Amino acid sequence: ETGVTQTPRHLVMGMTNKKSLKCEQHLGHNAMYWYKQSAKKPLELMFVYSLEERVENNSVPSRFSPECPNSSHLFLHLHTLQPEDSALYLCASSQDHGVAGGHQYFGPGTRLLVL
Amino acid sequence: GESVGLHLPTLSVQEGDNSIINCAYSNSASDYFIWYKQESGKGPQFIIDIRSNMDKRQGQRVTVLLNKTVKHLSLQIAATQPGDSAVYFCAESYRSGNAGNMLTFGGGTRLMVKP
Repeated sequence: ETGVTQTPRHLVMGMTNKKSLKCEQHLGHNAMYWYKQSAKKPLELMFVYSLEERVENNSVPSRFSPECPNSSHLFLHLHTLQPEDSALYLCASSQDHGVAGGHQYFGPGTRLLVL
Repeated sequence: GESVGLHLPTLSVQEGDNSIINCAYSNSASDYFIWYKQESGKGPQFIIDIRSNMDKRQGQRVTVLLNKTVKHLSLQIAATQPGDSAVYFCAESYRSGNAGNMLTFGGGTRLMVKP
């Protein structure tokens, strides 16, 4: 186990639904990340939070809304998604974001299917 | 080269042989490089890293080589085992303005180990 947990592991939702993905890290890290992994593209960075502040929004559509209530928890709120949003959503954390180097620890991901 | 999803480049090796997985990175300003392993149904798992002031680093059964002249990274796995079967990603890290250090992933290579 990497110390990063994600729930749910699998999610099926309709295009009009609203759902949330949850990530929790037990490593005492200060930075957390959301990535999208689909069959057609490499891992895509979506959002970065450092010390609970968003430092990067990588041109992600507004139907994805992140929330970081504290340094251990990260949410991704989903609404009016499209079928092309079906993918594996990965959460990661690292000790710090502003420090050179330092790898990221990944959770197992949430497999999302949008119908 | 980079390929993703169903078109991931695949390396097939015999159990016990050595494996070499290659990666071309894009940013000459990148100063930190990481190899991740992703097994089916799991998130990426850290294997080994290297900083740009080094050209070789060894771990347990793995070696990473960095050639900054041609922006090439390789992962060598000695005495490959069936448990090494996975998709392997390289990642490069560079400083991006006020956003701190950003991690960009390659498309991945699928390693298949034949018993």
